[in-house]
Amino acid sequence: EILMTQSPATLSVSPGERATLSCRASQSVSTNLAWYQQKPGQAPRLLFYGASTRATGIPARFSGSGSGTEFTLTISSLQSEDFAVYYCQQYNNWPWTFGQGTKVEIK
Amino acid sequence: EVQLVESGGGLVQPGGSLRLSCAASGFTFSSYWMSWVRQAPGKGLEWVANIKQDGSEKNYVDSVKGRFTVSRDNAKNSLYLQMNSLRAEDTAVYYCTTVNYWGQGTLVIVSS
Repeated sequence: EILMTQSPATLSVSPGERATLSCRASQSVSTNLAWYQQKPGQAPRLLFYGASTRATGIPARFSGSGSGTEFTLTISSLQSEDFAVYYCQQYNNWPWTFGQGTKVEIK
Repeated sequence: EVQLVESGGGLVQPGGSLRLSCAASGFTFSSYWMSWVRQAPGKGLEWVANIKQDGSEKNYVDSVKGRFTVSRDNAKNSLYLQMNSLRAEDTAVYYCTTVNYWGQGTLVIVSS
C-alpha cells in the first residue's frame, strides 16, 4: 500500500496570503495524484487530477504541481471560502490512498 | 444537474449487516467507474471499493475484503454496498462517488 504523507498538518494563513501544501508518496505514483477540498459537514470536492489538471469550476488561484513522489498544492491568495481541509490521493496503485489532510485555518 | 444520493445507513450491532444504496442522476451512470469512500468521525478519508462500468472488475481495501460487496444496476442508475460482519471500526460516513461527483454521504454506526 502506498503511504501518502501531507505537511504541514495545520497551516495558519491570513486572507490574501499564499498557502503551499505538500504531499509525499512512499513510492512513485507518476502523476496519478488528485487533490480534494473538504469543508465541515460537506463531501470532498475534487480540485485537481493528474497532479496539475484543474477540475471543472476550480478558480485559477489554485495550482497543482509535481510528479513521482513529491507534489504541491498552492493557493496564491487565500479567500475566506478556501479555509478547509485539503487531501491528496493517489490512484496509481490499488488501494487508492489518501494523505491524512492539511487543515488551512485563518491566522 | 448531477446528483448522487446515498441511503441505507443507520445503527447496527457488531456482526450485523447493512446494504447501502446510491441513486445517480444527471449523468450517464453506465459510463463511469463508481466508488465508495468512507470517513470515520473526525478522521480522514478511506477509499473502500470501486467497480467498473459493467461490473466486471471490483476492488476492495484489505480491511473490508470478504465482508463488503460492491455492485451496480446500470438499468436503475444505482450503486450498492452490501456490508456484512460489521465491526465498530466500520463506523463512518459512506460516500458514493465518481471522483468528480460526490454524494452527501450516509452515516453507518456499528455499536451495541
